[in-house]
Amino acid sequence: RKEVEQDPGPFNVPEGATVAFNCTYSNSASQSFFWYRQDCRKEPKLLMSVYSSGNEDGRFTAQLNRASQYISLLIRDSKLSDSATYLCVVRTWRDDKIIFGKGTRLHILP
Amino acid sequence: DAGVTQSPTHLIKTRGQQVTLRCSPKSGHDTVSWYQQALGQGPQFIFQYYEEEERQRGNFPDRFSGHQFPNYSSELNVNALLLGDSALYLCASSLSADVYEQYFGPGTRLTVT
Repeated sequence: RKEVEQDPGPFNVPEGATVAFNCTYSNSASQSFFWYRQDCRKEPKLLMSVYSSGNEDGRFTAQLNRASQYISLLIRDSKLSDSATYLCVVRTWRDDKIIFGKGTRLHILP
Repeated sequence: DAGVTQSPTHLIKTRGQQVTLRCSPKSGHDTVSWYQQALGQGPQFIFQYYEEEERQRGNFPDRFSGHQFPNYSSELNVNALLLGDSALYLCASSLSADVYEQYFGPGTRLTVT
């Protein structure tokens, strides 16, 4: 099993819809979680950290489920500008490994 | 406030050659990490530098080495280039080694022929 797994997509979603995708991780010692966004041929940009209690930033909501070892990202009222690849990042405290998922491609359709 | 900068933007090298990539961290950041991103893949962690020392290392051979200077800027060196080293090389900086939020530079696209 890969350390961090994401559905590669693409997710094709009409503008205004709600979309959600998950990221699973295999190392139970994982302690820090993040979502990054990467536009085509650009660098990744931090979207949001994921806290144990879940957190929200505008239209974006991140959740952590430690029992099932996954994190999720929910995008409400999707915009054309949300089209990008979303990367899940997991970091472990013990050996301080930083692991990126392969990313999930999202296409918002007009 | 300048973000993370990298140079050069693009580079073409021949198999067997050596390459040096450069990175300047975001102002106020003292920790620099390097990643390799192949097409269609997520970034893979190469190593992290803090206080001019390699703090952590991913699963990359010794052909990959680095350096951090007193001004926190960093270099990534790759020796004996292989075709498989062709990728986007990303540098990321953070406020300190214990702060996990990273800011990425635009990357250097390396092509090995």
